[in-house]
Formats: sequence, structure tokens, C-alpha cells
Amino acid sequence: AQKVTQAQTEISVVEKEDVTLDCVYETRDTTYYLFWYKQPPSGELVFLIRRNSFDEQNEISGRYSWNFQKSTSSFNFTITASQVVDSAVYFCALTRDVTNAGKSTFGDGTTLTVKP
Amino acid sequence: DGGITQSPKYLFRKEGQNVTLSCEQNLNHDAMYWYRQDPGQGLRLIYYSQIVNDFQKGDIAEGYSVSREKKESFPLTVTSAQKNPTAFYLCASRSPQTTGELFFGEGSRLTVL
Repeated sequence: AQKVTQAQTEISVVEKEDVTLDCVYETRDTTYYLFWYKQPPSGELVFLIRRNSFDEQNEISGRYSWNFQKSTSSFNFTITASQVVDSAVYFCALTRDVTNAGKSTFGDGTTLTVKP
Repeated sequence: DGGITQSPKYLFRKEGQNVTLSCEQNLNHDAMYWYRQDPGQGLRLIYYSQIVNDFQKGDIAEGYSVSREKKESFPLTVTSAQKNPTAFYLCASRSPQTTGELFFGEGSRLTVL
């Protein structure tokens, strides 16, 4: 069985602070894919990134960066110089293959509040 | 613009009534999904459809029904058999590209009075 744990239920920071959202996963599959989604107050989830299990290269996209560590089964997400618009619920998700991405196991989400 | 449109955004229902949530997409995606989101919880899969005229139960299908008569449309009916229907419902489609990216609608919030 697969499991995704986002231990941080809520995080509150002041604008311009850096913040890291943790994601720890469990799977017996040797090949798998991890995703991060953002859910702003409007409700729809927005895809941020996908990472496969055989590519441990970290990724940076603007103020966003992701640290994938297979040894600790973690796929953490860092926002640098946070902004009020980053306030949202962030979900980490796990699937064994991308054709079944719709059947991903989702974490419970981390609610990030960025105060001005 | 291409995307997923869900309606209504808010819906109130009396106990014992069935209600149908609409989900329409113009992304030309084959695969579509319905999820339920409860406060402080992740998404749970209700039903999914990989192709027109075919659909499969997800993890929490009891008390729900769907149809997929057209590629663009995947309506969800919350029946009176669903014991705790008050929730936020999200519809999504999956990109056929190798990313596996999901595209979501803005959701429908159902409240049973």
C-alpha cells in the first residue's frame, strides 16, 4: 500500500521568508512518480511538478525548488522569498505510473499562510 | 481557454434527495476523475473514466454514480444512499502527455441540510 504523509498541517510565515513543506512517502514499488499541487482559495488544484523515482536531481523553478531524497523517502518543496500569493493548500501525491496519475495517493495537504 | 468547468459551485440539498454535479472539459482528454475533499484531508477518488462509455469505481464509490456518454462530460450523481454527502467535490482530467499532469475544475461544494 502507498502512503503520503504531510506532517505540517498549517504553516504561517511573514512575506519574504523562506518556507519548506515536507512530504514523506511509503511505497513498495521500485518505480514511482511524485507530484506537488497547489490549491489556492479558488478551489482548483494546479500542477506544480512531477518527479520520477529514478531521477534524483533537484529542481528549481523561479522561487520554487524541490529536494527529492530517495534514501529518506522525501520530496520536500521550498518556496524562497515567499509572497502573499503563495498562500494556499499544497498537496503531495504519489503514483506508480503516470497513466494512473488520477489514482494517486494524496497527502492531507499543508495550508500555507503568508502574511504581509 | 481550455479547462474544466464544474457546476454548480455551491449546492444545498435536503436529506433523501439525489443531486447531480456537472463536469465539462474542452481539453480533449480521455481520462476523467471525480474526487471528494473533506476538511484537512487529501483527495479521495470516487469514480474515474479512462474512455467514453466506460468508468470504474474508485476508493469511495458507495452512494455515488456516474456516466460518460460524451468525451467532454462526466457528471456525478450523489444519491440519497450516500451517508455523509456534505463535502467539496473536484473533477479532473489527465493529460495524455507523459507528465501525467491532472487538470482540475474549481470544485462544487455540496451541503446537505
